Amino acid sequence: DIQLTQSPSSMSASLGDRVSLTCQSSQGIGNYLSWYQHKPGKPPKPMIYYATNLADGVPSRFSGSRSGSDYSLTISSLESEDTAIYYCLQYDEYPFTFGSGTKLEIK
Amino acid sequence: EVLLQQSGAELVRPGSSVKISCKASGYTFTDYYMHWVKQRPEQGLVWIGRINPANGNTVYAEKFKSKATLTADKSSNTAYMQLSSLTSEDTATYFCTRSGSLDYWGQGVMVTVSS
Repeated sequence: DIQLTQSPSSMSASLGDRVSLTCQSSQGIGNYLSWYQHKPGKPPKPMIYYATNLADGVPSRFSGSRSGSDYSLTISSLESEDTAIYYCLQYDEYPFTFGSGTKLEIK
Repeated sequence: EVLLQQSGAELVRPGSSVKISCKASGYTFTDYYMHWVKQRPEQGLVWIGRINPANGNTVYAEKFKSKATLTADKSSNTAYMQLSSLTSEDTATYFCTRSGSLDYWGQGVMVTVSS
């Protein structure tokens, strides 16, 4: 199975900060990687699909990028509502696999 | 508007089975695979498997091959997941979600296994 390694596992940043979360794949998955924002009691919210494409309704401060097998989710200016756990998902091959998540908090 | 409406919370006994549903609307049901994802309390997301509603073809993660059974009813645009031989390890929230990149999600069903 493809392993996705997310880092950091948790982080705290200040309002207005630029924040980058990373996801490293153990095998080549092309651009078949998505990012999700997950808040308690709600379903995961798609943020980025196909590595770099912003999902519908997602604020433009979010962006996705890829460098080889390393994928990043960047928030250009952190807002309070961005507090959540962020997961990456590879959907290149079965079984689909999720990263273990990055918990993002506001200082 | 695409909606995935899941059935309500379940409290079930160890050793029993449970069948949860996911009713799709707002798109052609047979055009997209339906996937299922598990989240245990305070843990991450785990992919269970997917079904092609057009022909019933299924793919499961290895650890769920004897635990979960995915079906779909084209007449009612509803996908189902049955979980069998339930233990405390199956206490979790289960989500249905639509392919290709898991773009729409149901609200989740909390299944609690307890005597």
